[in-house]
Amino acid sequence: DAKTTQPPSMDCAEGRAANLPCNHSTISGNEYVYWYRQIHSQGPQYIIHGLKNNETNEMASLIITEDRKSSTLILPHATLRDTAVYYCIVRGQAAGNKLTFGGGTRVLVKP
Amino acid sequence: KAGVTQTPRYLIKTRGQQVTLSCSPISGHRSVSWYQQTPGQGLQFLFEYFSETQRNKGNFPGRFSGRQFSNSRSEMNVSTLELGDSALYLCASSWSGTVNTEAFFGQGTRLTVV
Repeated sequence: DAKTTQPPSMDCAEGRAANLPCNHSTISGNEYVYWYRQIHSQGPQYIIHGLKNNETNEMASLIITEDRKSSTLILPHATLRDTAVYYCIVRGQAAGNKLTFGGGTRVLVKP
Repeated sequence: KAGVTQTPRYLIKTRGQQVTLSCSPISGHRSVSWYQQTPGQGLQFLFEYFSETQRNKGNFPGRFSGRQFSNSRSEMNVSTLELGDSALYLCASSWSGTVNTEAFFGQGTRLTVV
């Protein structure tokens, strides 16, 4: 699976949009981009995933660049409860159900 | 629909003992994966089971083993516990485990080895 690069930490203001970048320049054509988050000492929570089109669900939006070498997770209106570590994961068919977690981005939402 | 259930939530064991952790997946899910999370190594994949067969394995010693039952429930066992095995153990379930199906995690079992 392709390696991902994320900033180690970022702050955002409550009520504002949070834009979390992820670089995956070695992604191959059949690999998906997944986002999970982990709130302190809880199990990771699935957020969203996509292949090449932008995706939106009730939690977030995922914007994947046309060359698929990077993506952005958007939390439209960040709340204090969105404070967590966010993981961007690239997953290919060969990995099956294996998720390879990197260091993630520690997001702190401030009032 | 109930989520992924892991038992017990907390466990304290003595070095040299063995431990068994349990994971009940979401109803209908056939794939169960296990992960170890430590402050130093982060989240690391242990193994995956699908329809009672181990389908994928991470780089952990043979002291770590698992199995899956016909109802998709899974157990993992760690024998001859070491202090370094202290960690949060997480399991995740998915319907099929293919690349386009999301996996959902339980709340984990926190194991402390003393």
